[in-house]
Amino acid sequence: RKEVEQDPGPFNVPEGATVAFNCTYSNSASQSFFWYRQDCRKEPKLLMSVYSSGNEDGRFTAQLNRASQYISLLIRDSKLSDSATYLCVVNKGSAGTALIFGKGTTLSVSS
Amino acid sequence: GAGVSQSPRYKVAKRGQDVALRCDPISGHVSLFWYQQALGQGPEFLTYFQNEAQLDKSGLPSDRFFAERPEGSVSTLKIQRTQQEDSAVYLCASGLTSGGALKDNEQFFGPGTRLTVL
Repeated sequence: RKEVEQDPGPFNVPEGATVAFNCTYSNSASQSFFWYRQDCRKEPKLLMSVYSSGNEDGRFTAQLNRASQYISLLIRDSKLSDSATYLCVVNKGSAGTALIFGKGTTLSVSS
Repeated sequence: GAGVSQSPRYKVAKRGQDVALRCDPISGHVSLFWYQQALGQGPEFLTYFQNEAQLDKSGLPSDRFFAERPEGSVSTLKIQRTQQEDSAVYLCASGLTSGGALKDNEQFFGPGTRLTVL
């Protein structure tokens, strides 16, 4: 079983749609959780850190369920500029150590 | 402010050549990480420094890979006797510190070096 598993995608949605990405992780020692966004041939950019209580940043909402080892990202009112690959990321163990990335889910938003 | 920078951005090497990839982290960042990203995959961890100390090198795929950060700032990833399977994007990331708060563990990536081994 891979350490971080994501929906295989790709997700093709029209502008304005709501889309949800799910992710599960296997390492119960992970303490930090993130969503990164990666555009084609660019570096990953931090989209959101995921807090235990869940958190929202504009159109983006992240949820964490430690008991189920499950992380989600909800994007509301999708924009063309949201088209990218979304990477679910957890840390290896204690604070500050390596990040473990999922394979990513590709989102394509069309007009 | 300046982000993480890497050089060169592109490198083509003949099989068997040695290469050196440079990373300049965000000023003041204590943690520095190297990752390897193959096409269609997420980045995979190679090694981690806290200041000049290499605390984790468990991800280095072979003893041909070597990384250093002698003054706790700039880091170099060296690959000796390159092989075709080393072709990938090599990403460097830096983080403010390694504290207990989630924000302390956020990592910021450079643009990467795309290595092609012929």
